Amino acid sequence: DVKVTQSSRYLVKRTGEKVFLECVQDMDHENMFWYRQDPGLGLRLIYFSYDVKMKEKGDIPEGYSVSREKKERFSLILESASTNQTSMYLCASSPTGGTGELFFGEGSRLTVL
Amino acid sequence: QKEVEQNSGPLSVPEGAIASLNCTYSDRGSQSFFWYRQYSGKSPELIMFIYSNGDKEDGRFTAQLNKASQYVSLLIRDSQPSDSATYLCAVYTGFQKLVFGTGTRLLVSP
Repeated sequence: DVKVTQSSRYLVKRTGEKVFLECVQDMDHENMFWYRQDPGLGLRLIYFSYDVKMKEKGDIPEGYSVSREKKERFSLILESASTNQTSMYLCASSPTGGTGELFFGEGSRLTVL
Repeated sequence: QKEVEQNSGPLSVPEGAIASLNCTYSDRGSQSFFWYRQYSGKSPELIMFIYSNGDKEDGRFTAQLNKASQYVSLLIRDSQPSDSATYLCAVYTGFQKLVFGTGTRLLVSP
């Protein structure tokens, strides 16, 4: 069974803290994505990566960075968390040349106080 | 104009009825279209995809695509309370990227 695993389901952090959200997939997919989901705004793409050490900005990259040192792992980093980054964060992966289907992790709900 | 638009709902239908969910998109060059279902507190899961104009059926679900009108819909026949969820329309815009609508919440009452 395909699996995308996000390291933390729920996190509570304070303003200014550095936050790491990690995602691991076991499907040997080339492409990995980080989305955030907010009520009324839907899923918005933060960053994506189509290969190890490669990254591309999505629609809302400000305040975020990413790291992909290994094919199976894609990390989202909030250098200095702010309250407007309180959200549900979803990691996803897909194979190159596939149908475009994304396989999602269970999500990480981040609250920044 | 948003790239992918959906009515947020909720769309309420009685059990056994047909639920019709609609989506419009702005990029005329889009080639692939997806419907994801998302239960409350869960992550999205793919239920249908369609590439060609016309209808595509899978069990109780039918996806309909009209590229000339830039319109894609999802029909759910014999709706069940377990179908109550948010349905996300997604459009493949190229370079491995999907753009999502904000979703339509469906409520199926027993």
